[in-house]
Amino acid sequence: AQSVTQPDIHITVSEGASLELRCNYSYGATPYLFWYVQSPGQGLQLLLKYFSGDTLVQGIKGFEAEFKRSQSSFNLRKPSVHWSDAAEYFCAVGGRSGGYQKVTFGTGTKLQVIP
Amino acid sequence: SAVISQKPSRDICQRGTSLTIQCQVDSQVTMMFWYRQQPGQSLTLIATANQGSEATYESGFVIDKFPISRPNLTFSTLTVSNMSPEDSSIYLCSVGGLAGGSSYNEQFFGPGTRLTVL
Repeated sequence: AQSVTQPDIHITVSEGASLELRCNYSYGATPYLFWYVQSPGQGLQLLLKYFSGDTLVQGIKGFEAEFKRSQSSFNLRKPSVHWSDAAEYFCAVGGRSGGYQKVTFGTGTKLQVIP
Repeated sequence: SAVISQKPSRDICQRGTSLTIQCQVDSQVTMMFWYRQQPGQSLTLIATANQGSEATYESGFVIDKFPISRPNLTFSTLTVSNMSPEDSSIYLCSVGGLAGGSSYNEQFFGPGTRLTVL
């Protein structure tokens, strides 16, 4: 069965500092991978996705993520964090073999940004 | 992407009553899903809403408790029946399989319905 691990429940960074959120997945083949962001009281917004090709994917709001097959990881990065980035971030994995495959979400990482 | 709206955005309900949540999409989509997000938790898939047929429920969720309708390709409802305080949660609608999209797995979420049961 597929699964996602986000080892950091809560991260605090200073505004302007760099950010890396960790995500490890378990899946039998190359999966689809996603990062979503949820601001307080809001639904989830898709930040970026990896399906195939270049393993470094660019997303919205200046985020990027790198797929590393050897490490089963898909870490999210941002070079300079803004106060508006404070939110909860979810990594998700989905199957890719024909038709719909269930998407599994990680437990989330809550990001706090301090001035 | 798609624009997804949910009604109501929040509600406070009494134990034993039922609430129906509506999800409307601005374009036709193949897949519609309902998730629950309990306080401080991640998302748990309740069911896949199938157009013109019965929803497909995940383990631990049953139709009697969470009846779902999907009369067309742009609309779905989720009812939370005979509510108890344990049903207090955020309920999220999502869609996948957009025309021109990359895959069914790429999902877009509504703003959610925050339910409190007293």
